Amino acid sequence: GQNIDQPTEMTATEGAIVQINCTYQTSGFNGLFWYQQHAGEAPTFLSYNVLDGLEEKGRFSSFLSRSKGYSYLLLKELQMKDSASYLCAVRDLGNQGGKLIFGQGTELSVKP
Amino acid sequence: DGGITQSPKYLFRKEGQNVTLSCEQNLNHDAMYWYRQDPGQGLRLIYYSQIVNDFQKGDIAEGYSVSREKKESFPLTVTSAQKNPTAFYLCASRRLPAGPNNEQFFGPGTRLTVL
Repeated sequence: GQNIDQPTEMTATEGAIVQINCTYQTSGFNGLFWYQQHAGEAPTFLSYNVLDGLEEKGRFSSFLSRSKGYSYLLLKELQMKDSASYLCAVRDLGNQGGKLIFGQGTELSVKP
Repeated sequence: DGGITQSPKYLFRKEGQNVTLSCEQNLNHDAMYWYRQDPGQGLRLIYYSQIVNDFQKGDIAEGYSVSREKKESFPLTVTSAQKNPTAFYLCASRRLPAGPNNEQFFGPGTRLTVL
C-alpha cells in the first residue's frame, strides 16, 4: 500500500532549528516534495529531492534516503512566520500523471 | 502575472444541490489536478487531466465530475451524490512531461460548506 507518515504537531522556539521527519512506503518513487501551507491558503513549494543527500536552500534544507524511505525538512533560524503546516509528498511512478501522495502534514508552532 | 485562480473562495451549498468550483491557470501547464483537504488529513486526489478533453479518476472520484474543454480551465462539479462534501478544495497544475523539480503549483483553494 501507499503510506506517508509525519508527526502531527511540533513546537519550536524562535531562532532555533527544527527537523520535521517523513517516512514513506510507496509502490514507486519519482521524487519527494516538501510544501509549506499556512492556514486557509494554498501549499507553496519548498524543496524537491530525487537523489540521496541534502538539498540546501537558504534557511531550509531537505534530506532524502531512498533506501530507508526517509526524508527530513530542516528549518534554521526559525521565525514566527514559519508557523505553518509542512506537507511531505511523494511522486509515484506510473501513469497517473505524476500523482503526488501526501502525508497528513506537520503543524509547526513557533513560539517567541 | 501567471498563476492559478480558483473561485469562489467560500461557497455554501444546500444538501441535494450540485455546485461547480472554478479553476483557471495561465501558466500554459498541461496537467491539472483537483484535491480535497480535510482537517488532520493529507490532500487526496479527486480527478486529474493531462490533456484537453481527457481526464482520469483519482482516489476519491465518487460524487464528483470534471471537464477539460480548454487547456486553461478544469472545473470541478460536486454533485448531490457526494455524501460528505464539506472540505477545502485545491486545484493544481504542472508542466509535462515529468522532469526534475517539476513541482505542482496550487491555487488559493475554495472552502465548500454544506448547510
